[in-house]
Amino acid sequence: GAGVSQSPRYKVAKRGQDVALRCDPISGHVSLFWYQQALGQGPEFLTYFQNEAQLDKSGLPSDRFFAERPEGSVSTLKIQRTQQEDSAVYLCASSLRTNEQFFGPGTRLTVL
Amino acid sequence: AQSVAQPEDQVNVAEGNPLTVKCTYSVSGNPYLFWYVQYPNRGLQFLLKYITGDNLVKGSYGFEAEFNKSQTSFHLKKPSALVSDSALYFCAVRDEFSGGYNKLIFGAGTRLAVHP
Repeated sequence: GAGVSQSPRYKVAKRGQDVALRCDPISGHVSLFWYQQALGQGPEFLTYFQNEAQLDKSGLPSDRFFAERPEGSVSTLKIQRTQQEDSAVYLCASSLRTNEQFFGPGTRLTVL
Repeated sequence: AQSVAQPEDQVNVAEGNPLTVKCTYSVSGNPYLFWYVQYPNRGLQFLLKYITGDNLVKGSYGFEAEFNKSQTSFHLKKPSALVSDSALYFCAVRDEFSGGYNKLIFGAGTRLAVHP
């Protein structure tokens, strides 16, 4: 079956632009996570959804970051007024409640 | 504070030899521990996890990990390395204050290079 997909795979933005990153989780997976992976580092938690409810957004670095999952399936991570320090790989993962997470290939964001 | 440490940036091993990738953790309660592998341009793939029970956990692709509570370690092992095992390996612990879902805290990763 299909795994977690993310689009676009690569995104180049000029500083100050807004970007939207999409995640399509595995069908039926209740839990959805976003992580940020800086170059040479491990992933860092951004936010968590259970169905359409955003239960934890403690990892979002600033109010420029916003995530939604309105129908409990596809999720979008939006970054407003991008800055150079936002350059990273953004990973999405889904799971069946408390089981292990399945990760997508990530979106590599480069802010110039 | 909760944390995961992977003390080696890179591990080099010859094909056919045993391999160990080290991981230590710091949590105040009982840990939920995970290993993931990342191949270039691909997402992280789950290898194995420890929740409770037997300290030796077996996972995918012939990997296993040993939980050692006294040493707060969860080292990843494989008896005989393959060139195709070359990848980036991440150890992770579940945030114990996450309210029951797997909010993961990752180590910085260890690059494994298996030479023919």
